[in-house]
Amino acid sequence: GAVVSQHPSWVICKSGTSVKIECRSLDFQATTMFWYRQFPKQSLMLMATSNEGSKATYEQGVEKDKFLINHASLTLSTLTVTSAHPEDSSFYICSPRQGGGGYTFGSGTRLTVV
Amino acid sequence: GNSVTQMEGPVTLSEEAFLTINCTYTATGYPSLFWYVQYPGEGLQLLLKATKADDKGSNKGFEATYRKETTSFHLEKGSVQVSDSAVYFCALSDQAGGGNKLTFGTGTQLKVEL
Repeated sequence: GAVVSQHPSWVICKSGTSVKIECRSLDFQATTMFWYRQFPKQSLMLMATSNEGSKATYEQGVEKDKFLINHASLTLSTLTVTSAHPEDSSFYICSPRQGGGGYTFGSGTRLTVV
Repeated sequence: GNSVTQMEGPVTLSEEAFLTINCTYTATGYPSLFWYVQYPGEGLQLLLKATKADDKGSNKGFEATYRKETTSFHLEKGSVQVSDSAVYFCALSDQAGGGNKLTFGTGTQLKVEL
């Protein structure tokens, strides 16, 4: 149980374009979704937390207009990196959580902006 | 705020060697502590956890004891195998509110050789 699907696993995009990352919980309903980013040799940094049907809560320093999070259903959440720039290149990981349940993680998306 | 400090890697061991990966934490309240493992190309998976002082988490031959007096949660395994090669993350859960966010260490890469 607790299978998570995150796509794409890697993407290369041109500077100024937008990229959408999808995260699906395949066999459970995720009432809460966490989005993390990870720089090389650094820890996972929480970007935002969203509850199904509500607006996401962003961590300090994370631009909400740049990193758009949609959690429209209990099985799907998306992170859109808008007007991407090279400094947005990173590893993005979703973490859906069932209410009161354990933490699960997607396999991550490697974003490279050129 | 909360923080987790892990020993830097990579750690390279021969098969059947003893493993210790150090982890110390700073937190308010009474956090739960976790070890996650990330195999190449996969998402983070829960390896073990402990929810209160002196608890010992164990799984697949790995163990870690929640030491409140030393604020530590060191990961150990008596005899590692090549299949244990992965990145290991120590983490704590903020139980003081805020949606039980996870705070991660930087990860320690383990390489086990024949």
